[in-house]
Amino acid sequence: QVQLQESGPGLVKPSQTLSLTCTVSGGSISSGDYYWSWIRQPPGKGLEWIGYIYYSGSTYYNPSLKSRVTISVDTSKNQFSLKLSSVTAADTAVYYCAREGAYYGSGSYYWFDPWGQGTLVTVSS
Amino acid sequence: SSELTQDPAVSVALGQTVRITCQGDSLRSYYATWYQQKPGQAPVLVIYGKNNRPSGIPDRFSGSTSGNTASLTITGAQAEDEADYYCNSRDSSGDHKVFGTGTKVTVL
Repeated sequence: QVQLQESGPGLVKPSQTLSLTCTVSGGSISSGDYYWSWIRQPPGKGLEWIGYIYYSGSTYYNPSLKSRVTISVDTSKNQFSLKLSSVTAADTAVYYCAREGAYYGSGSYYWFDPWGQGTLVTVSS
Repeated sequence: SSELTQDPAVSVALGQTVRITCQGDSLRSYYATWYQQKPGQAPVLVIYGKNNRPSGIPDRFSGSTSGNTASLTITGAQAEDEADYYCNSRDSSGDHKVFGTGTKVTVL
């Protein structure tokens, strides 16, 4: 059973870079069957997809965050990471990592399962 | 960028049926996926594809699509179904994913 766990600082100063790591257990990032995503949720608000990475290193980012986001992967450690630069208070959120699946056919669909438990990152001086 | 619109809140009497809808142009091309989120917890996948339930999700949860609207139906709602529900799909113009605005379901 695949499990994901986020880790990283819970407090980041404005204008600095937020850095988080997601450790995957119970399965290999390198299997190639899935993408590995970051999703965030500001307190009391909805979900926002940040981006994904494939084990090969290919990435795709939310256009609204693309200029500030970098997602990387370390297959030797079975981890993938998020960096978000130039943070402001608007980046305060619970950050989740999740495994992203996709089905391509006459009716394509995508899903996130499982999710990590989430980690709250507060941007404040 | 596509948007997925959901009603902010709905209520249902215990044991009755409730339908949650999600509207967006991208749903004409891609099926919606549905998540349940309880306070302080990570979202949980409840419906994916045309109408598929992951292992462990009760069969009172079902999904459907018509045109640009996807629906999640809870038939015989239970107290434990009280939660926020989010739909999710791919944007029509690229490979980025979008989430619906979320619906809070209250079981009376």
